[in-house]
Amino acid sequence: EDKVVQSPLSLVVHEGDTVTLNCSYEVTNFRSLLWYKQEKKAPTFLFMLTSSGIEKKSGRLSSILDKKELFSILNITATQTGDSAVYLCAVDSLNTGTASKLTFGTGTRLQVTL
Amino acid sequence: DTGVSQDPRHKITKRGQNVTFRCDPISEHNRLYWYRQTLGQGPEFLTYFQNEAQLEKSRLLSDRFSAERPKGSFSTLEIQRTEQGDSAMYLCASSRGYTGELFFGEGSRLTVL
Repeated sequence: EDKVVQSPLSLVVHEGDTVTLNCSYEVTNFRSLLWYKQEKKAPTFLFMLTSSGIEKKSGRLSSILDKKELFSILNITATQTGDSAVYLCAVDSLNTGTASKLTFGTGTRLQVTL
Repeated sequence: DTGVSQDPRHKITKRGQNVTFRCDPISEHNRLYWYRQTLGQGPEFLTYFQNEAQLEKSRLLSDRFSAERPKGSFSTLEIQRTEQGDSAMYLCASSRGYTGELFFGEGSRLTVL
């Protein structure tokens, strides 16, 4: 059974800090790892990673995947209060055929204070 | 692109009653997914449609759950004889082909008393 473990479970930082969120996984026939941000209701897509060592970047957010060690990190630099959310990591397996049958972790709850 | 819409946003029901949720995906998205999320957990996959065909169902989807997507457009998720353990947020998502990126709706929260 596919498994995703995220750490820390929650984190409180001051605005301007840099944070690193961790995601380790076990999956048969890995296809991709995805990061989503969930502020109140709907998770919104951040990144999809398929290859080791290639950093994906969007503004102050970046992510990288290590397929040998089976983990990914999500970095947020110069955090802002608007970054406060639950960050979800998910994996997708080739075993699911054409479906995005994602296995999610429990998420990291990030709170950014002034 | 008006996003994925779900209705109702919140449903409170008594144990044993039937409930139905509706999802309208982003137009031209041929793939539609239902996930369930309980408090403090990540979403769990329930079922998947490609156009009108239901191609995948999770073991979480007991016989009391049924999903349809007639004509490959909107989808409904019905839960019969609800139990307290069914209380959760039911999330619908859609995508155009396989991109890995799912567009989620804001969910339908079910509370079973």
